[in-house]
Amino acid sequence: KQEVTQIPAALSVPEGENLVLNCSFTDSAIYNLQWFRQDPGKGLTSLLLIQSSQREQTSGRLNASLDKSSGRSTLYIAASQPGDSATYLCAVKGVADGLTFGKGTHLIIQP
Amino acid sequence: EAQVTQNPRYLITVTGKKLTVTCSQNMNHEYMSWYRQDPGLGLRQIYYSMNVEVTDKGDVPEGYKVSRKEKRNFPLILESPSPNQTSLYFCASSLLRPAGVRSPLHFGNGTRLTVT
Repeated sequence: KQEVTQIPAALSVPEGENLVLNCSFTDSAIYNLQWFRQDPGKGLTSLLLIQSSQREQTSGRLNASLDKSSGRSTLYIAASQPGDSATYLCAVKGVADGLTFGKGTHLIIQP
Repeated sequence: EAQVTQNPRYLITVTGKKLTVTCSQNMNHEYMSWYRQDPGLGLRQIYYSMNVEVTDKGDVPEGYKVSRKEKRNFPLILESPSPNQTSLYFCASSLLRPAGVRSPLHFGNGTRLTVT
C-alpha cells in the first residue's frame, strides 16, 4: 500500500527566502505526482502535476521535481511571499490504486 | 467557469439522521472521488467512480454510500451518521486518460460536517 510522507510538517521562514518542501513515497509504480495548495477552510488548488516520465515542472516561482526511482519529489518556491502561506500537499497516483496524499507541510512566510 | 461544486458548505446534524452531500462538476470528467480530511490523518479517500454506474471503495468507505447515475453528479450519502464522521469532506474530479497523459485533480471547496 502506497505511503506518502511530507517533511517538514511545518515551516516558518522570512519573506524573500527560497525554500524546498519534500515529499517521499514508498511505491515507485506511479502514474503521476501532484502538488496542491490548501488555504485555511478552503479546498485544494492544483499547483503542478508531474507525469511519471517527467523530471520536473515549473510554474512561475514554483518548480517541482520528481525522482521516481528513489521515491522523492521536491517543491521549490523561489523568493517566498506572505501570500505563499498555506498548507502544501503532495499526492501520488498509483498504478495499482488511487490517489494517496501526504499529510502536508504547513508553511508560514513571515513578512 | 470550470468547477466542482459541493453543497452544503456547512452542515450540523444529529446521530442517525440520514443526509446527502451533493457534488457536481461541469468539466465532463469521467473520474470523481470523495475524500475526508481529519487533523493528523490527512486526506483519505472514501469512494471513487471511474464513470457512470461504476463506483469503488476507497480507503475508508464504512458508513458511506455513493451513486453515479449521471456523469456530472456524485452524491455522498450517510444513511446513519455518527459522531466519528464529523470531518471536512472534499469532492474531486478529473479526466480519465491513459497513463502518461495529464489529468490533474480538481477539488470542490469542501463540506464541513458536524454530527452530534
